[in-house]
Amino acid sequence: EAGVAQSPRYKIIEKRQSVAFWCNPISGHATLYWYQQILGQGPKLLIQFQNNGVVDDSQLPKDRFSAERLKGVDSTLKIQPAKLEDSAVYLCASSQPPGQGRETQYFGPGTRLLVL
Amino acid sequence: AQSVTQLDSQVPVFEEAPVELRCNYSSSVSVYLFWYVQYPNQGLQLLLKYLSGSTLVKGINGFEAEFNKSQTSFHLRKPSVHISDTAEYFCAVDRTGGGNKLTFGTGTQLKVEL
Repeated sequence: EAGVAQSPRYKIIEKRQSVAFWCNPISGHATLYWYQQILGQGPKLLIQFQNNGVVDDSQLPKDRFSAERLKGVDSTLKIQPAKLEDSAVYLCASSQPPGQGRETQYFGPGTRLLVL
Repeated sequence: AQSVTQLDSQVPVFEEAPVELRCNYSSSVSVYLFWYVQYPNQGLQLLLKYLSGSTLVKGINGFEAEFNKSQTSFHLRKPSVHISDTAEYFCAVDRTGGGNKLTFGTGTQLKVEL
C-alpha cells in the first residue's frame, strides 16, 4: 500500500514570504495530522482533521498558519508570512479514525523548511 | 495534559550490545504509549505501542518495551543492537479516549558503533 506522500521535500524562503506544503494520506484514512518538528525537539501537533472537518487546531498559530482538507483527502498547510522561527520539518500523518483499534499514525517523509 | 520525558538525548552503544532507552510520562488519566523511530531524512515509523493488556510489548526489529504504571515508565529495550539501528527514537503518549493526539518526547539519538 502506498504511504503518506508529501511535497516539496525541501523549501528555502526568505522571512515574510509565503509557503505551502501538500500532503496526500494513505487511501481510506479519514484522519490527517500536521506536525511541526523543530530541530532537537519532538514533533508537535499543529492540526488534526477528520474527513474535511477540523478536530483540533489548538496549537496552530492562526495569525500566520492555515490548513485545509478539501474533499476529505489531500491537505495543504500554508504559512503567510513566514518567520525565522518557522524553520522546521513539517510532517504529515494519517490514520484510521480514533476508537476503532487501528489508531496507528503513519507518517510521511516531511518537508524541511528553512526561513532565511 | 500529558507529557513525556526522555532523559537521554544521546546513547552510544557498541554493536551487539544491549540497549535501553528511557521514557517517563506524566498523566492524571490512563494512557496509550508509543515508540517511534526516525531514520535520517525520513518520517517516523511505529516500533511498538501499548494500548492495554500485557505490559510487555514486542515490536518490530527485535525491540520491546515494558509499561510500568507505578513508575510511569515505558522504557525501550533491545538485547543486541545492529549498526542499522542507528536513528532517533521518540516516545509518545495519548490519553485513552483522547482522539489519537500524540504528545512526543524530545527524542533519543541512538548511535551504534563497531
